[in-house]
Amino acid sequence: DTGVSQNPRHKITKRGQNVTFRCDPISEHNRLYWYRQTLGQGPEFLTYFQNEAQLEKSRLLSDRFSAERPKGSFSTLEIQRTEQGDSAMYLCASSPTGEGSPLHFGNGTRLTVT
Amino acid sequence: SQQGEEDPQALSIQEGENATMNCSYKTSINNLQWYRQNSGRGLVHLILIRSNEREKHSGRLRVTLDTSKKSSSLLITASRAADTASYFCAPRMDSSYKLIFGSGTRLLVRP
Repeated sequence: DTGVSQNPRHKITKRGQNVTFRCDPISEHNRLYWYRQTLGQGPEFLTYFQNEAQLEKSRLLSDRFSAERPKGSFSTLEIQRTEQGDSAMYLCASSPTGEGSPLHFGNGTRLTVT
Repeated sequence: SQQGEEDPQALSIQEGENATMNCSYKTSINNLQWYRQNSGRGLVHLILIRSNEREKHSGRLRVTLDTSKKSSSLLITASRAADTASYFCAPRMDSSYKLIFGSGTRLLVRP
């Protein structure tokens, strides 16, 4: 168990640019989640995958955000035409199927939009 | 709402003291989980308590659950400076796959 890996750890971008983050979950976990967290707040749910299927997308996610999980392994989160309000920590988590399965989080990607 | 609300928002104690954090929620649940987050890091799962359990222990952690009051508490005994972190509760409904987090309790343990 090597844990959930997120890359990059930090990303600074200019407003209007596109950015893409990657998450490598724990290999046997078929559930994958993306959360966004701003300073002093708890993580906000963004989207959820069961294997390669995206089963839920939060209304918080505008159409500038897209997430994929090809082949049910790693996942990418892309933000197009970034805005300053997108500055946040983006957290990925994975878990096995089953009630009560805890989420295993990565250490996040911190995005700063200037 | 599936979200848990932690109380207090912030807590400052001296090393060696006990820290108690509370969580309230509104729906019926299957289980409730507690997580810790150190500054700049991801969340780490601490303990899970099922709806048919009233108390659970793990090392210096003690969690209680009162489903009639829809509340839970997390007690950290003999706190250490390394316990300084934010703590989140996450109630989980039956057949729910996702966790919704509140704003957490920020614990500061002074050496």
